[in-house]
Amino acid sequence: DAGVIQSPRHEVTEMGQEVTLRCKPISGHDYLFWYRQTMMRGLELLIYFNNNVPIDDSGMPEDRFSAKMPNASFSTLKIQPSEPRDSAVYFCASSLRELRYIQYFGAGTRLSVL
Amino acid sequence: GENVEQHPSTLSVQEGDSAVIKCTYSDSASNYFPWYKQELGKGPQLIIDIRSNVGEKKDQRIAVTLNKTAKHFSLHITETQPEDSAVYFCAASNDFGNEKLTFGTGTRLTIIP
Repeated sequence: DAGVIQSPRHEVTEMGQEVTLRCKPISGHDYLFWYRQTMMRGLELLIYFNNNVPIDDSGMPEDRFSAKMPNASFSTLKIQPSEPRDSAVYFCASSLRELRYIQYFGAGTRLSVL
Repeated sequence: GENVEQHPSTLSVQEGDSAVIKCTYSDSASNYFPWYKQELGKGPQLIIDIRSNVGEKKDQRIAVTLNKTAKHFSLHITETQPEDSAVYFCAASNDFGNEKLTFGTGTRLTIIP
């Protein structure tokens, strides 16, 4: 398996623009997690899904952030409009139901909002 | 909710020496404690974990210890090598219907050749 695949790897955009980050979890995994990593706050869980259904979005910072999982092999995290303080590395991770605490991370998307 | 504190934030050790990273947690119900290693430009990867019914676990040069009474756990790396240089994260979870991991703030470990 290729592991968790995220795209793009790097994104540079201007304040106010819409940003869409993409994630393909490991095939067969039941859980999908979106994290944000910054120097100040470390790794923060934004939202996670179980079998494509959002379970907990309490970490989503504000209404500008939204996440979807239309099927078991694809998820998006959208920021609209983007702001400079959204600059961070965003990670997607997935896990199996039976071993749900063993999360496999993608390589991340480094987002810079100018 | 759970709060995990991790120390130190940076650590430099000579190659061949040992490194120790410590974490404390706040929720006494937490019972699963993984450690992740993040290399430059990559996502975190699980390297070892421990459950609350175990006091210590070893995997080659890596060991983790857990003190439930004091609510702290530690990662020990012996005979450090240059490839051990990375950022290490501890985490905690309560597996009674909870899939979330609460991560520490990370420790940047540098091995000096």
